[in-house]
Amino acid sequence: GESVGLHLPTLSVQEGDNSIINCAYSNSASDYFIWYKQESGKGPQFIIDIRSNMDKRQGQRVTVLLNKTVKHLSLQIAATQPGDSAVYFCAERVFYNQGGKLIFGQGTELSVKP
Amino acid sequence: DVKVTQSSRYLVKRTGEKVFLECVQDMDHENMFWYRQDPGLGLRLIYFSYDVKMKEKGDIPEGYSVSREKKERFSLILESASTNQTSMYLCASSPTFEGEQYFGPGTRLTVT
Repeated sequence: GESVGLHLPTLSVQEGDNSIINCAYSNSASDYFIWYKQESGKGPQFIIDIRSNMDKRQGQRVTVLLNKTVKHLSLQIAATQPGDSAVYFCAERVFYNQGGKLIFGQGTELSVKP
Repeated sequence: DVKVTQSSRYLVKRTGEKVFLECVQDMDHENMFWYRQDPGLGLRLIYFSYDVKMKEKGDIPEGYSVSREKKERFSLILESASTNQTSMYLCASSPTFEGEQYFGPGTRLTVT
């Protein structure tokens, strides 16, 4: 069935290091993916998105990589800062009722050590 | 900036009570969504609406209903609250049904 999963539920990194958060998706027809960040006590916040016709997309300090062959998505955060500590979700768009809907993964908690 | 607000951050209700969760967005978005978020289960779609007075069931609609009388407001109703509805409830809106969604801060509901 449809599922979006994350390889690791928690990730701890040192401040200044790069972070890589992984996500596996199961629907090979998914054409759009989003990464969200959720800080404690807040709603999810959009970070970056990527369409299936792309392999890589860069934002400010973040890069999303898409490997459609193995149905894998990753979020790379450069020079991780304490403010990056949060839960990160990936979401994939699947076809639904002649349109599409987002399916969210369970999340990875990123902890940044000073 | 898109702003999605939810009426309460924390709510405690008793079993059997009728509960209203309100959500308001200020960006004239057509689409609005209600999710619940539970540890280990991620975000699960309860109901969504793509227009005023239009509503569709999501993946877990049982025990819930919704109302959308105005474009900016989407209400989630628990007709008779039960302890298994203790959860974080997130509202979202989107200009397109399948695109990026903007989330509110969430309401943490505890049913005792």
